[in-house]
Amino acid sequence: DTGVSQDPRHKITKRGQNVTFRCDPISEHNRLYWYRQTLGQGPEFLTYFQNEAQLEKSRLLSDRFSAERPKGSFSTLEIQRTEQGDSAMYLCASSQREGIQETQYFGPGTRLLVL
Amino acid sequence: AQKITQTQPGMFVQEKEAVTLDCTYDTSDPSYGLFWYKQPSSGEMIFLIYQGSYDQQNATEGRYSLNFQKARKSANLVISASQLGDSAMYFCAMREGELDKIIFGKGTRLHILP
Repeated sequence: DTGVSQDPRHKITKRGQNVTFRCDPISEHNRLYWYRQTLGQGPEFLTYFQNEAQLEKSRLLSDRFSAERPKGSFSTLEIQRTEQGDSAMYLCASSQREGIQETQYFGPGTRLLVL
Repeated sequence: AQKITQTQPGMFVQEKEAVTLDCTYDTSDPSYGLFWYKQPSSGEMIFLIYQGSYDQQNATEGRYSLNFQKARKSANLVISASQLGDSAMYFCAMREGELDKIIFGKGTRLHILP
């Protein structure tokens, strides 16, 4: 029984470059979430999918950010024209909708450093 | 206003002692769920325990229990017989009503001393 996986685990990039992260959820989970966590803070919600449909996006998700889940399985999060303020841990979580008790299971995260 | 408040930025506890990590929350929705997650230095968020607003009993999972005081809007995590491996960041989180996202507190860093 594999958990949520994310790739890459670490990414260093120069300001202005584009980066793409991948998340593979637990196979039977229909919901997939992206969060961002900066130093000293808890994770902050960015967006989520139910199957392939993107149902909600946070105001934190500027137009430089785009997320996809084309076949309702893995998801990608792309950041265009990266800025130093994008440096953070990007966490992916998946769940199976079961009402209020729905538990989200997280992957190991991708640490992004923008120089 | 903060939805989730964790007032202890850091705690030091002797191994084998019990630990209580504080969490208060703010919501006007009668239906909500409360979660605790552990984040070791590796970064992965590990689910520990869940408490629903309508649950009559406090949740327990092994050495973890949740001291749920609804009237005080408090959901403290209790770790019994602490171990060195319990050293990590601990986050309290909440889902309100039919909303899907989870809101996290700022966390408490727990250090277990040998």
